[in-house]
Amino acid sequence: AQTVTQSQPEMSVQEAETVTLSCTYDTSENNYYLFWYKQPPSRQMILVIRQEAYKQQNATENRFSVNFQKAAKSFSLKISDSQLGDTAMYFCASFDSGGSNYKLTFGKGTLLTVNP
Amino acid sequence: EPEVTQTPSHQVTQMGQEVILRCVPISNHLYFYWYRQILGQKVEFLVSFYNNEISEKSEIFDDQFSVERPDGSNFTLKIRSTKLEDSAMYFCASSGGGRTDTQYFGPGTRLTVL
Repeated sequence: AQTVTQSQPEMSVQEAETVTLSCTYDTSENNYYLFWYKQPPSRQMILVIRQEAYKQQNATENRFSVNFQKAAKSFSLKISDSQLGDTAMYFCASFDSGGSNYKLTFGKGTLLTVNP
Repeated sequence: EPEVTQTPSHQVTQMGQEVILRCVPISNHLYFYWYRQILGQKVEFLVSFYNNEISEKSEIFDDQFSVERPDGSNFTLKIRSTKLEDSAMYFCASSGGGRTDTQYFGPGTRLTVL
């Protein structure tokens, strides 16, 4: 079974600064996918970034980038030039591509507050 | 940009009543999912659906729950006899032609059981 752990329940950052959110995971599969989703106060789940485990290069999406450490099973999200609109709950999630597993497994989330 | 839609945005019901939550997945997607999030807790998988049948379901998805794709566009979650503990946000998601494609979520339906 997969597990996803986010050890930071809450974080805050000043506008324009950089913040890193931590995530570790555990899986027995060789092929898997990792995601960060953002949930603003509206509670909609919005995809931030996706990483395929077989890719060594860290995924980047504008101001969002990941530090994927496969051996350490670590998948952190870095937000550069933080904006007020980045205030949200951030969920790390994993998806195994093996067997009959069709589900995303989520961590408990990190509430990020961007202060003006 | 195509998006997943869900109705209603908020549903209030009495314990023991049946509710149907509706979702319209992205039009060319083939895989459909329901997740729920009890307030303050993490998002939990309920069920996945592909080729007009359930692919996988969680322990939460007991006999009180059912899913259906009644036509080419809608994907519904029915709870036959709601309990207080069913109060949660229910998210529908869909993904494209491959099982490992990214899942895109709808805005959710907040279900309140009184």
